[in-house]
Amino acid sequence: ELKVEQNPLFLSMQEGKNYTIYCNYSTTSDRLYWYRQDPGKSLESLFVLLSNGAVKQEGRLMASLDTKARLSTLHITAAVHDLSATYFCAVDIGGGADGLTFGKGTHLIIQP
Amino acid sequence: NAGVTQTPKFQVLKTGQSMTLQCAQDMNHNSMYWYRQDPGMGLRLIYYSASEGTTDKGEVPNGYNVSRLNKREFSLRLESAAPSQTSVYFCASSFLPGRGIYNEQFFGPGTRLTVL
Repeated sequence: ELKVEQNPLFLSMQEGKNYTIYCNYSTTSDRLYWYRQDPGKSLESLFVLLSNGAVKQEGRLMASLDTKARLSTLHITAAVHDLSATYFCAVDIGGGADGLTFGKGTHLIIQP
Repeated sequence: NAGVTQTPKFQVLKTGQSMTLQCAQDMNHNSMYWYRQDPGMGLRLIYYSASEGTTDKGEVPNGYNVSRLNKREFSLRLESAAPSQTSVYFCASSFLPGRGIYNEQFFGPGTRLTVL
């Protein structure tokens, strides 16, 4: 059974600081997804990582994938309040149209 | 394009009542999914449909049924609602199988269901 673990589950940080969210998974996969969810809203796709060593960046967020370590990271640089949200990683091992397996999410609060 | 739409947005049911959650997508996607989201649990897959006419169970299918009405629409039915089904339900869709080699899923706005 595939397990996806995120840590931390809750993070409060100050604006301007850097931090990293970690996503570990238990079964070999080279397809990992990051989503953002604002309170009471739907999930928005942030990054799709499709190979070992993949790195994607959008603004102050950068995601990477190490398939050998079964680890993805979401790095936040010089955080701003607008990045406050819950971030989910999800793993795809089916190779087809199976569902994704999600981590429990990291609730991120960025304070001025 | 509206993307993925869901109805209703909110619903309150009594134990034992039935209801159907509706989902439609206008992105010509092949696959559609139903997830539930509970506090501290992430999202868990209930059922999915890889193509019109096919459906498969996910991680938590008990108490639910689904219908892939056509390529655009995928409904989720609760035959006899229970308090344990209080949750937020999300529908999602993706291109797979077909175009692309990955399963990036696009989500609807969600239905917030309370069962008393």
